[in-house]
Amino acid sequence: NAGVMQNPRHLVRRRGQEARLRCSPMKGHSHVYWYRQLPEEGLKFMVYLQKENIIDESGMPKERFSAEFPKEGPSILRIQQVVRGDSAAYFCASSPPAGARLVNTEAFFGQGTRLTVV
Amino acid sequence: QKEVEQNSGPLSVPEGAIASLNCTYSDRGSQSFFWYRQYSGKSPELIMFIYSNGDKEDGRFTAQLNKASQYVSLLIRDSQPSDSATYLCAVNTNAGKSTFGDGTTLTVKP
Repeated sequence: NAGVMQNPRHLVRRRGQEARLRCSPMKGHSHVYWYRQLPEEGLKFMVYLQKENIIDESGMPKERFSAEFPKEGPSILRIQQVVRGDSAAYFCASSPPAGARLVNTEAFFGQGTRLTVV
Repeated sequence: QKEVEQNSGPLSVPEGAIASLNCTYSDRGSQSFFWYRQYSGKSPELIMFIYSNGDKEDGRFTAQLNKASQYVSLLIRDSQPSDSATYLCAVNTNAGKSTFGDGTTLTVKP
């Protein structure tokens, strides 16, 4: 019973490079959420996706950040031209379809990707 | 005003005592409430959820919800050093995203 899988666990990028973070949801889960956690802070919602659809991207910065969840394969959070302020832990969570949920909304988190921009 | 506010902490209690963690939220349409535990450098781990007014108990943990006061709390009885972590309150309004508080760091001293 594999949980939410994120990779890489740690990612180092130089300023101006691109960062790609991957998230494979739990088996049977069709909803994916991305959160960012800065040091000593709580989790901030970024984007909510279902397969091939962005449902809510109200927490995404307007520039340089994008997310997708293709029909096949993992969800990808992409950060272009990274800056030092992008250094954070990025967590992905997944949940089942609405009708299969125990409660609205149980979500299970991956281990996170810790991005460091140097 | 933040959407979800928690005691800034840190909170320190002796081993065996009751730890009380508090959370208030601003959106009266909130439906589901969650407590996550996060150890340093690790991902959040769901420990309790509640969606009806009143108390919900699970082992040493009790979640309390008061929708009229827009208040949710977590009590940890017989606190252990292994309970030392940051506790995150999360509130879900719509089907989908959760809004998190900044967390309260709990230290249980042996």
